[in-house]
Amino acid sequence: AQTVTQSQPEMSVQEAETVTLSCTYDTSESDYYLFWYKQPPSRQMILVIRQEAYKQQNATENRFSVNFQKAAKSFSLKISDSQLGDAAMYFCAYRTSNFGNEKLTFGTGTRLTIIP
Amino acid sequence: DVKVTQSSRYLVKRTGEKVFLECVQDMDHENMFWYRQDPGLGLRLIYFSYDVKMKEKGDIPEGYSVSREKKERFSLILESASTNQTSMYLCASRVQGESSPLHFGNGTRLTVT
Repeated sequence: AQTVTQSQPEMSVQEAETVTLSCTYDTSESDYYLFWYKQPPSRQMILVIRQEAYKQQNATENRFSVNFQKAAKSFSLKISDSQLGDAAMYFCAYRTSNFGNEKLTFGTGTRLTIIP
Repeated sequence: DVKVTQSSRYLVKRTGEKVFLECVQDMDHENMFWYRQDPGLGLRLIYFSYDVKMKEKGDIPEGYSVSREKKERFSLILESASTNQTSMYLCASRVQGESSPLHFGNGTRLTVT
C-alpha cells in the first residue's frame, strides 16, 4: 500500500519570505499523480498544485511550485513571497494512475503559520 | 465552479444513535468519497463510490456504511454512533479522469457524547 509522509507537523515563515514543505511517499508504481491541498481555517480543502509522475518538469502555479524528485520519492512544496492568506494546513496526497483505483492517500499535514 | 454541499456543519449525537451525513455535488461527478480527518492522522478514506449504487471500502470502513441511490448524493451512515467516531468528516467528488482533482465540501464536525 502507498504511504505519504509529511515530517513537519508545523512550520512558520515570515511574511514575504519563502518556505518549503516536505513530503515523501512510498510506492512501487512508476506512474501516478501527486497533489498538494490547502485547508484554511474555513475548512474548505482547496487544490494548490498537481504533478504527473511521467512529467519531468516541476509544476508551478503562481507563487507555488514543487520540487519533484521521482527517484527519491520526494515532492516538496515551495511557497514564495508568503502572504497572510497562505496560513493553513497543507496536505500532500498520492493517487495511482491505475484505472478503477480512484482513492487519494493523504499525509498527516503541515500547519503553516505566517508571521507578519 | 463545482459545489459540494454537506448538510450539516456541526452535529452532536448520542452514543448508539443512527447518524446520517449527507453530501450533494452539482457537477455530475462519477466519483464520490467520504474521508475522516483527525489531528495528527490526516485524512483517512472511509468509503468511496465510482457510480450510482456502487461502493468500495476505504481504509477505515468499520462502523460505517454508505448509500448512493442518485449520482449527485452520497450518504455516510453511522449505524450506532460511538464516541470514537467523534471527528471531522469530509465529503469529496471528482470527475472520472486520470489527474482530475478532488473537490471537497466544508466538512461536518460530528461530536458523539
